[in-house]
Amino acid sequence: EAQVTQNPRYLITVTGKKLTVTCSQNMNHEYMSWYRQDPGLGLRQIYYSMNVEVTDKGDVPEGYKVSRKEKRNFPLILESPSPNQTSLYFCASSLQSLTGPLHFGNGTRLTVT
Amino acid sequence: AQSVTQLGSHVSVSEGALVLLRCNYSSSVPPYLFWYVQYPNQGLQLLLKYTSAATLVKGINGFEAEFKKSETSFHLTKPSAHMSDAAEYFCAVMGNTGNQFYFGTGTSLTVIP
Repeated sequence: EAQVTQNPRYLITVTGKKLTVTCSQNMNHEYMSWYRQDPGLGLRQIYYSMNVEVTDKGDVPEGYKVSRKEKRNFPLILESPSPNQTSLYFCASSLQSLTGPLHFGNGTRLTVT
Repeated sequence: AQSVTQLGSHVSVSEGALVLLRCNYSSSVPPYLFWYVQYPNQGLQLLLKYTSAATLVKGINGFEAEFKKSETSFHLTKPSAHMSDAAEYFCAVMGNTGNQFYFGTGTSLTVIP
């Protein structure tokens, strides 16, 4: 089954403790992206990747890192999480960014205390 | 820069009534526009997309949207609401370079029995 898989679904952590949210897709998509969803703000893009070893900042990259060493994986790294990063995070992929559409994972709800 | 504005963060309709969710876009070039639906505890799913082939776009579950350049609008409609349509709906536009997608703030649809 074609899908985007995120793990974990729920995560509670404390300020400053490094964490990684994994994202994997099995559709051989070139384009992958991370979003955060906050009430009243919709989805905002954190980082995106056009292909392996090619990543770039979205609209809200501060406090986040990503890597794209393999085509299927695009982990989101929070080196020192803070409470303002409490949010619902989505990973998405697309065959090519110019054609869309995006295929989304089921989300990771992160709480930073 | 591209952006979309969704008018009305909450819309309620009676079962069987017309659904109309509003989206206006801002783009300096012909845009690629999308409507996504998000059911509780799930990721976003594509409803339909506009890629300049036809101004009236039909999507899944009986939804359709009409691209109106003169009004810079891409409103989503469905003739008869069903209880299963209750969800959050997001309008999105692809950026000029094809690297980024910009989402609206979402409209929560409630269907009243």
